[in-house]
Amino acid sequence: GAGVSQSPSNKVTEKGKDVELRCDPISGHTALYWYRQSLGQGLEFLIYFQGNSAPDKSGLPSDRFSAERTGGSVSTLTIQRTQQEDSAVYLCASSFSGGAVEQYFGPGTRLTVT
Amino acid sequence: KQEVTQIPAALSVPEGENLVLNCSFTDSAIYNLQWFRQDPGKGLTSLLLIQSSQREQTSGRLNASLDKSSGRSTLYIAASQPGDSATYLCAVRPGAGTALIFGKGTTLSVSS
Repeated sequence: GAGVSQSPSNKVTEKGKDVELRCDPISGHTALYWYRQSLGQGLEFLIYFQGNSAPDKSGLPSDRFSAERTGGSVSTLTIQRTQQEDSAVYLCASSFSGGAVEQYFGPGTRLTVT
Repeated sequence: KQEVTQIPAALSVPEGENLVLNCSFTDSAIYNLQWFRQDPGKGLTSLLLIQSSQREQTSGRLNASLDKSSGRSTLYIAASQPGDSATYLCAVRPGAGTALIFGKGTTLSVSS
């Protein structure tokens, strides 16, 4: 079946502009995660949605970052007033639940802020 | 704060060799541990998931072990092939409702 999909695959934006990144999880997966992978850094957790519960936003680096998940499915990560340090690959993952199951990752969106 | 370390950062081996990738974590109270593979410009592919109550998991030529008390996991790759060349990431989940904490990975190159 279809895996996790993300769009766009690449995004180049000017410093100060807002960007939206989209994630379509695997159908039926209730848990959705956003991570960021910067050059030379490991993957960093950003935000986690589980069903209808309030999201865990503890990994968001600043208030310029926000995310929403509509209808328990598609999620959008928004970065306002982008900075050069926001340049990274943004990865989305989903799983059946937040528990003892594997997370399946999308191909990522490579964001470059010029 | 949980930290995950992977050694070595890079490894080059000739085809056919057996090899071991190491992962260590600072807090032994984990829920599970997952090994991933990442190819250049691609997302992550899950290889093996080990629950905290398990000691090892096997899939084909891959075997992952977990020693919670010492905070270590190893990924054993048997009879390596050029197609195994990729970055291998280790990640731990501290609790049932938490996100993964990743190491920085080991980049493996297998030459033919």
